[in-house]
Amino acid sequence: QKEVEQDPGPLSVPEGAIVSLNCTYSNSAFQYFMWYRQYSRKGPELLMYTYSSGNKEDGRFTAQVDKSSKYISLFIRDSQPSDSATYLCAMSVWNYGGATNKLIFGTGTLLAVQP
Amino acid sequence: DTGVSQNPRHKITKRGQNVTFRCDPISEHNRLYWYRQTLGQGPEFLTYFQNEAQLEKSRLLSDRFSAERPKGSFSTLEIQRTEQGDSAMYLCASSPMTGHYTFGSGTRLTVV
Repeated sequence: QKEVEQDPGPLSVPEGAIVSLNCTYSNSAFQYFMWYRQYSRKGPELLMYTYSSGNKEDGRFTAQVDKSSKYISLFIRDSQPSDSATYLCAMSVWNYGGATNKLIFGTGTLLAVQP
Repeated sequence: DTGVSQNPRHKITKRGQNVTFRCDPISEHNRLYWYRQTLGQGPEFLTYFQNEAQLEKSRLLSDRFSAERPKGSFSTLEIQRTEQGDSAMYLCASSPMTGHYTFGSGTRLTVV
């Protein structure tokens, strides 16, 4: 079993739809949760991060973490064609001193927002 | 500063040849990471450096792979005797001691 499982997609939604992207994990030591967006032929870019259970909102994006269920989600409201990309969840153990080291990624979900 | 720079962007090589990739991190970042990403998969950790010290290596990094970061600045990743299974995107990232990664655009390796 992989440490991080991500709904593979692909997802195709009409412009303006609400998108839900999900990951589950098995390692209870993960404390740092991230969502990355990756456009074709580019490196991943950090969208959102959180350390705690609950919701974190940033514009049209909301990251949700449920540590008791080992489940994280990313919601995109009012989706736009420019949101079309691969979305990757990533997690790590938060080391003493707060320094991050290796990230464990999900497999990614390819999202297409149709105009 | 223009971010993390990786060269070349694309490399095509014949099976059995050696290849070397270069990564130039953001100058004030003392941590540097290498990941490998195959089609339809997320990036997988290979190794990371803190300054010039290589602090962790994945089991994915076989003895044909070697990474260096002389003087704690740029880094190179060399693959010897390439195999078709080495075909992937090789991503470099850098970060400060406490902070988030910045990824480069990657080097896409095709072994024919």
